[in-house]
Amino acid sequence: NAGVTQTPKFQVLKTGQSMTLQCAQDMNHEYMSWYRQDPGMGLRLIHYSVGAGITDQGEVPNGYNVSRSTTEDFPLRLLSAAPSQTSVYFCASSYGSGDRGFHEQYFGPGTRLTVT
Amino acid sequence: AQTVTQSQPEMSVQEAETVTLSCTYDTSENNYYLFWYKQPPSRQMILVIRQEAYKQQNATENRFSVNFQKAAKSFSLKISDSQLGDTAMYFCAFPYKAAGNKLTFGGGTRVLVKP
Repeated sequence: NAGVTQTPKFQVLKTGQSMTLQCAQDMNHEYMSWYRQDPGMGLRLIHYSVGAGITDQGEVPNGYNVSRSTTEDFPLRLLSAAPSQTSVYFCASSYGSGDRGFHEQYFGPGTRLTVT
Repeated sequence: AQTVTQSQPEMSVQEAETVTLSCTYDTSENNYYLFWYKQPPSRQMILVIRQEAYKQQNATENRFSVNFQKAAKSFSLKISDSQLGDTAMYFCAFPYKAAGNKLTFGGGTRVLVKP
């Protein structure tokens, strides 16, 4: 299993440009999510999906769009990049929720994005 | 709202010694999981250990163990026989079931293991 893969690893954008961060998992996980990590901070949830065709907003969704057409893929789109979106982005997946919480999330290696 | 607090921004420890990281959280849920994640300089998020709230016994994973105090909403991580490879940021995390199991992270504790 490749686990959770993310591309690209690094990206530099100019203000106003758009782009898509790719995320894929080969573990047949229901739950996928996108987080951003700013310097010296923990991760904050941007968007998440509990299955194909179902997405919802997290804590910091503004400026980002997602879709989930397949179980495996969960791309994150930046609509019009701003310097405030400079961050490290992590994709994660898990088996989904159980009665007592949910199974641990597996994280991709991250994408470092710089917006100038 | 869920909150997770790590009160120690940075800790250093000599190789082979023990260090304990603290974490407190706030929730109205009764059954849940708690996690500790490690983030080395490579940035990869690595699950270190997890605790299920309905279990009385504290979780142990090799040199890593937790002290889970449910009533006090405290979840500390003990690293025994510290190794240089343990140098990393450590995050306590709590899944908020009512918000699609969003993981709420503490602010992190930077651990530096000195030779």
